[in-house]
Amino acid sequence: KAGVTQTPRYLIKTRGQQVTLSCSPISGHRSVSWYQQTPGQGLQFLFEYFSETQRNKGNFPGRFSGRQFSNSRSEMNVSTLELGDSALYLCASSLDPGDNSPLHFGNGTRLTVT
Amino acid sequence: DQQVKQNSPSLSVQEGRISILNCDYTNSMFDYFLWYKKYPAEGPTFLISISSIKDKNEDGRFTVFLNKSAKHLSLHIVPSQPGDSAVYFCAASLFGNEKLTFGTGTRLTIIP
Repeated sequence: KAGVTQTPRYLIKTRGQQVTLSCSPISGHRSVSWYQQTPGQGLQFLFEYFSETQRNKGNFPGRFSGRQFSNSRSEMNVSTLELGDSALYLCASSLDPGDNSPLHFGNGTRLTVT
Repeated sequence: DQQVKQNSPSLSVQEGRISILNCDYTNSMFDYFLWYKKYPAEGPTFLISISSIKDKNEDGRFTVFLNKSAKHLSLHIVPSQPGDSAVYFCAASLFGNEKLTFGTGTRLTIIP
């Protein structure tokens, strides 16, 4: 079974631009979560989607948004990029939200803002 | 406010010995705890989890201990192998696998 697939792997953008990252969950997984990893901060929760609805949201500004499609694939968007948005963005999927099945992570998208 | 803390940024252990990674948390409402391992350029890989109703869970070489009164979690790896060299993250949640709060990670180096 294929794992969580994130595209692109690497991205370089300029301040003020916007970016869209894509995530395909493991087949059969219906819940998708997004996390941001920066040096010294660990992984911070961005948002979680299930059945095309946002279930939970972390403490990030409104410039960060996401959506989920009917096939469970998800995208996240960051508008008006800032230098501090440079990070590894990780997508994770699970069968259903709130159960004790572990999150399975993709290899991430490394975003660099210059 | 860091609700989950891994106070040791790095740890070196001889191959074959026990590796003990520690994690402290502040929110007594956390209900579910997990450990993930991360290699460079890869996403975190799930290792082992424990519910707050238990105090120990084992899976092969990996054992997680939970001390709720001390709000302390530890991961024991016995025996340690070179392939265990990675960054280890502990995580906690209020409800199952939702909205995980991660620690900042401990880099484990196994010395051959």
